Amino acid sequence: GESVGLHLPTLSVQEGDNSIINCAYSNSASDYFIWYKQESGKGPQFIIDIRSNMDKRQGQRVTVLLNKTVKHLSLQIAATQPGDSAVYFCAENGGGATNKLIFGTGTLLAVQP
Amino acid sequence: DGGITQSPKYLFRKEGQNVTLSCEQNLNHDAMYWYRQDPGQGLRLIYYSQIVNDFQKGDIAEGYSVSREKKESFPLTVTSAQKNPTAFYLCASSNRGGGKVEQFFGPGTRLTVL
Repeated sequence: GESVGLHLPTLSVQEGDNSIINCAYSNSASDYFIWYKQESGKGPQFIIDIRSNMDKRQGQRVTVLLNKTVKHLSLQIAATQPGDSAVYFCAENGGGATNKLIFGTGTLLAVQP
Repeated sequence: DGGITQSPKYLFRKEGQNVTLSCEQNLNHDAMYWYRQDPGQGLRLIYYSQIVNDFQKGDIAEGYSVSREKKESFPLTVTSAQKNPTAFYLCASSNRGGGKVEQFFGPGTRLTVL
């Protein structure tokens, strides 16, 4: 979802549960999407990407789902661990060829031990 | 180790002073980017460069300037014209891939104007 001002959407989960983080993207021309993880005070780290010719892509413990009909992207994290606590951003490329990315405002994932 | 370095990690500036943030990459990437991040918000693009000696304004370029004299380096100057410069600044780089490649980020510089 979108956030306003200083208040990020927050997802609180128990350690060991699965997490699902959602993102609504803005540009129907976007054909490349990325999920990043950002820990406090650090730069974003790449998690997984997906191109628009795919609906689903799996990585290690993570799965990204793309629904182009409703312009929705989700990140699923299996067996969530305390080290997964961070802000998660989705990004889209807007369909351009310049490698520019458009970032969402992020979701804070809080893993309770 | 390959990667992107930014320096300094923390920077304090008095109002009215210009300050330059360093970004260096040894990934042999053609494209480099500067973003600004404010608390609870996403990344906003300041400037980007797809090749040496060329750069373009992003969404919030006013009060900032850049240069791209070397492939490895993309310094950002925050000028006194930037009305609200206190923020976390992130540099990134990528291969040229027609808009379908990942950007790699540096650790960031936190700028505080006193």
